[in-house]
Amino acid sequence: EPEVTQTPSHQVTQMGQEVILRCVPISNHLYFYWYRQILGQKVEFLVSFYNNEISEKSEIFDDQFSVERPDGSNFTLKIRSTKLEDSAMYFCASRSGTGYEQYFGPGTRLTVT
Amino acid sequence: GESVGLHLPTLSVQEGDNSIINCAYSNSASDYFIWYKQESGKGPQFIIDIRSNMDKRQGQRVTVLLNKTVKHLSLQIAATQPGDSAVYFCAENKYGGSQGNLIFGKGTKLSVKP
Repeated sequence: EPEVTQTPSHQVTQMGQEVILRCVPISNHLYFYWYRQILGQKVEFLVSFYNNEISEKSEIFDDQFSVERPDGSNFTLKIRSTKLEDSAMYFCASRSGTGYEQYFGPGTRLTVT
Repeated sequence: GESVGLHLPTLSVQEGDNSIINCAYSNSASDYFIWYKQESGKGPQFIIDIRSNMDKRQGQRVTVLLNKTVKHLSLQIAATQPGDSAVYFCAENKYGGSQGNLIFGKGTKLSVKP
C-alpha cells in the first residue's frame, strides 16, 4: 500500500541553524501539506501546496518557513533560523485530486537546543 | 476559540465493548469531517470521513455520525480491541473542501482494558 515517507525521523539542531525536513508524498497525489504537533498538543496546519505553489498557510508559517517541491517526488519544509519553540513533530500529508482524505507520514521529530 | 474540539480527553473501555468518541465543531461552513487515529510516536492514520450531506457512514468496525443541527460528530468503534488503544482526533475542513486544510481537535485518548 502506498504511503507517505519522511526523513529524517529525528533531527537535532542548534538554535539559529537551518533545517530541511523531507517528505515523499504518495505518487500521483496532487495536494501536499505540512502540519506540526507540539508534544502533547493537537496537530496544527502549517501550509498547503498545490500546482507548484503555496495555496494556503497559517499564521505559524512565517518568513522563516518555506516549502519546495524540487522534483517530481520530494516535498521539503525549510526552517531558516530555528527557534526553541520550533521543537515539535512535523508531519507531511498528501491527498489525491479526487478524494479529500489526507494521508500522513510518520513525522520528523525536530529538537532545537 | 477553537473550531473543533473534543468533549472527553480520556476514555477507558473494556475489550469487546463498543466505544464512542465525541467531537464538537463550531464552523457551520465546514462540509467535510475526518477521524484519525494516532498511536504513540506515529503519524495520524486515516480511519473514516464524512461529508456534510450525510448523517452516517460506516466502515469496518467503525461508524461516524454527523449531527449538523448541534454541530456534533461521533466515532463509534464496535467490539473494541487492545489494538484500538490510541489518541483519536477529529478534524474538519474549514474551507468547504477547496484546499483541504484540516483543523484538528485536541484528541481523545482511548484505553482498552483486556
